[in-house]
Amino acid sequence: EAGVAQSPRYKIIEKRQSVAFWCNPISGHATLYWYQQILGQGPKLLIQFQNNGVVDDSQLPKDRFSAERLKGVDSTLKIQPAKLEDSAVYLCASSFGGSTYNEQFFGPGTRLTVL
Amino acid sequence: GQQLNQSPQSMFIQEGEDVSMNCTSSSIFNTWLWYKQDPGEGPVLLIALYKAGELTSNGRLTAQFGITRKDSFLNISASIPSDVGIYFCAGQRENTGNQFYFGTGTSLTVIP
Repeated sequence: EAGVAQSPRYKIIEKRQSVAFWCNPISGHATLYWYQQILGQGPKLLIQFQNNGVVDDSQLPKDRFSAERLKGVDSTLKIQPAKLEDSAVYLCASSFGGSTYNEQFFGPGTRLTVL
Repeated sequence: GQQLNQSPQSMFIQEGEDVSMNCTSSSIFNTWLWYKQDPGEGPVLLIALYKAGELTSNGRLTAQFGITRKDSFLNISASIPSDVGIYFCAGQRENTGNQFYFGTGTSLTVIP
């Protein structure tokens, strides 16, 4: 079974530029998550989708971050404009989406460096 | 947002030793997950726990869901060099839309 795919693996941009990340979840997984992981910390949830609807985006900085999952499969996360403090690893995860036995499986992440 | 406290923050052990780490919260959780993260990679699921008091093993790894539902423990027996990495706990509260909260991580170094 293929895992969660993410691209690009690495991205270096200057502050105030825009950047987009892509995620393809495990086939059949209805729930998709985007996390931000700052160096030395655990992942922090940014947004959670159930199919193509947003379940939780309470910790998403909506003035600069946006995400979509238009067809309920792939998802993109965008930052516009980027700030220095956005430097982090952005992890995508997916889960089957049931109320129990809802293990999340992670992709390899995209390491973003903002200069 | 909710944060889970993991301890210890880091561990340096000799190959062959046993390891214990734990995760605590002020809230009650109905699911606990334990992950291992290698440098440059995403977290990999090790063990999932769904019931208070549950004890589950995966090879040399054993994890327990605390009776109070506010904590969980992970033990690694007979550590080997490839156990090196950062271990994260993640907990899910009821009625939170399946959101998981992650711990602060335990960095494990195994000295051959």
